[in-house]
Amino acid sequence: DVKVTQSSRYLVKRTGEKVFLECVQDMDHENMFWYRQDPGLGLRLIYFSYDVKMKEKGDIPEGYSVSREKKERFSLILESASTNQTSMYLCASSSSPSTYGYTFGSGTRLTVV
Amino acid sequence: QKEVEQNSGPLSVPEGAIASLNCTYSDRGSQSFFWYRQYSGKSPELIMFIYSNGDKEDGRFTAQLNKASQYVSLLIRDSQPSDSATYLCAVGYQKVTFGIGTKLQVIP
Repeated sequence: DVKVTQSSRYLVKRTGEKVFLECVQDMDHENMFWYRQDPGLGLRLIYFSYDVKMKEKGDIPEGYSVSREKKERFSLILESASTNQTSMYLCASSSSPSTYGYTFGSGTRLTVV
Repeated sequence: QKEVEQNSGPLSVPEGAIASLNCTYSDRGSQSFFWYRQYSGKSPELIMFIYSNGDKEDGRFTAQLNKASQYVSLLIRDSQPSDSATYLCAVGYQKVTFGIGTKLQVIP
C-alpha cells in the first residue's frame, strides 16, 4: 500500500522553538507539498517541490522554510514557532503532473504554546 | 489568484437520497478536477478525478464537469451515514487549488 508518512501525529512546542516536520513518501513521486489546514480557511499551500533540491513558495510561506535533499523526503521547518502557527499540517505527494491527484499523509497537529 | 468556490454547508440529506455537491472555479484553463473526502480529524482522500466535459461514474459517485460554465459537481447516490464528511473540490494540473469544502450530513 502506497504511503505518505508524517513523523508525528501530535506535537507541542514552545514559542520561539525551531520545529521540524518530516514527510516521507514511498511512491517515487516527483511532487511534494506542505499545506496547513485551519477551520474556515481550508487548505493553504505553504511550500512545494517538483524535484530534489528544488522548492517554490506557496500562498503562505512566511515563517516557514523547506528542505528536499532526497526525492522521498520533504521537510517543513518553522524557524521560530509562534502561536499563530498552531494548526494541522498536511504533507502530500503526487506524480508529475498531478494527473491522478495527491496522496496525503495523516497530518501533524501542531500546538505552539 | 486562482479560486475554487464551494458552499461550506452543512448539507443535510436523508439516508438513501442523492447528495449533490457543487463547485465553481475561476481559471478557465484548468485541466484536472478532483473530489476529496475528509472525515473529521483525518486527512483528505481522493475519491474522484475528471478531465473531460460530461459525467464520470464510479460506484455510487458521479462527477460532472462543465468547462464552459466552469462548474464541477459530485453526486452521491443512495447516501449512507458513512458518507458524512467534508468534501473538497480541487482544481489544477501540477499544483492544485482546493475549495474550502462542503460538509455533508446524512441523516439516518
